[in-house]
Amino acid sequence: DIQMTQSPSSVSASVGDRVTITCRASQGISSWLAWYQQKPGKAPKRLIYAASSLQSGVPSRFSGSGSGTDFTLTISSLQPEDFATYYCQQAAIFPLTFGEGTKIEIK
Amino acid sequence: EVQLVESGGGLVQPGGSLRLSCAASGFTVSNNYMSWVRQAPGKGLEWVSVIYSGGSTYYADSVKGRFTISRDNSKNTLYLQMNSLRGEDTAVYYCARDDGWLYFHHWGQGTLVTVSS
Repeated sequence: DIQMTQSPSSVSASVGDRVTITCRASQGISSWLAWYQQKPGKAPKRLIYAASSLQSGVPSRFSGSGSGTDFTLTISSLQPEDFATYYCQQAAIFPLTFGEGTKIEIK
Repeated sequence: EVQLVESGGGLVQPGGSLRLSCAASGFTVSNNYMSWVRQAPGKGLEWVSVIYSGGSTYYADSVKGRFTISRDNSKNTLYLQMNSLRGEDTAVYYCARDDGWLYFHHWGQGTLVTVSS
């Protein structure tokens, strides 16, 4: 199975901060990667797919990059509604796997 | 508007069975890849199973041989039959529609399955 390792597991940040989350795959997955945002008690919401394609309706402050084994999700200017947990997911090989999540908390 | 509504969760004893349903509207289930994804309390996301539009199915090793994904085209509904349930199957189960690339685009609200004696 492909292991997806996210870092950090949590980050404290302030509104307006630039935040970067990394996701590393245990083997190459080309650009077969998505990012999701999940708020407590809610279903996940897709933000990015194919590593860098922004989901329609998602603010442009979110961006994704990377290919192969190393990927990043960047929030250019953190907004109050962005405090949530973020997951990466590889779609290259079964079983599909997620990272452990990164929780963005208010500083 | 795309909507996914799960049902069928509840409390079941270890070794028991449960069938989850996911009623879809706004699109045709049989024309899409549909997955089940679960989340144990306080934990991360775990993919469980997918059914392709052509009918092929795939499972996580943790549920292979115990869970079966299926759909009823006449009801536009996705199912997950869960047998031989274990404590580690306790989770919120989400159904999800993807756009054919195994990225989950639309999600239901989830249904909680608790396996306990």
